[in-house]
Amino acid sequence: GESVGLHLPTLSVQEGDNSIINCAYSNSASDYFIWYKQESGKGPQFIIDIRSNMDKRQGQRVTVLLNKTVKHLSLQIAATQPGDSAVYFCAGPPPNYQLIWGAGTKLIIKP
Amino acid sequence: NAGVTQTPKFQVLKTGQSMTLQCAQDMNHNSMYWYRQDPGMGLRLIYYSASEGTTDKGEVPNGYNVSRLNKREFSLRLESAAPSQTSVYFCASSDGVQNEQFFGPGTRLTVL
Repeated sequence: GESVGLHLPTLSVQEGDNSIINCAYSNSASDYFIWYKQESGKGPQFIIDIRSNMDKRQGQRVTVLLNKTVKHLSLQIAATQPGDSAVYFCAGPPPNYQLIWGAGTKLIIKP
Repeated sequence: NAGVTQTPKFQVLKTGQSMTLQCAQDMNHNSMYWYRQDPGMGLRLIYYSASEGTTDKGEVPNGYNVSRLNKREFSLRLESAAPSQTSVYFCASSDGVQNEQFFGPGTRLTVL
């Protein structure tokens, strides 16, 4: 079946360094992906999205890269701050556009 | 703007009891969703409503029913709760099914 998954369950990064969170998907027809951030005890919060006609999209301190050849996308967070501590999910639609969520990567910021 | 609101925040049920989780959004969104999230897991879609008057099953619909009461409100009902339904339930809404979803704060449900 469809799947969108993350490569690592936990990522530890020094404060101020850049963070890279990776995600793989299985359906080459997927044309829309979203990255969400979930802080402890809260609902997910939209970070950035990307459509399949793009390879890269930038937001405030975040960049998402999409490699359709290997069905991989990544979220890069520049100058990681303590407030970036959260679980990050990538989600993508199968043909009927329901979001399928990866299991999440927990980002830990070391002082 | 309150965004997406959910009630209750916490609930404990005994096996076999029924309850309804309420969700409302004030963003005039067409689409609404119910997810469950088990510990250390991603979200799994239970049901969604692409637009007022329509509902469709998601990945894990068994044991649940939904009602899209109007454009603002989308409720989730557990007719006979089971311990396997212990989870955190999130409601979300979006302009359309391929747009950013806005999430409520969640309902933490425990079934004993």
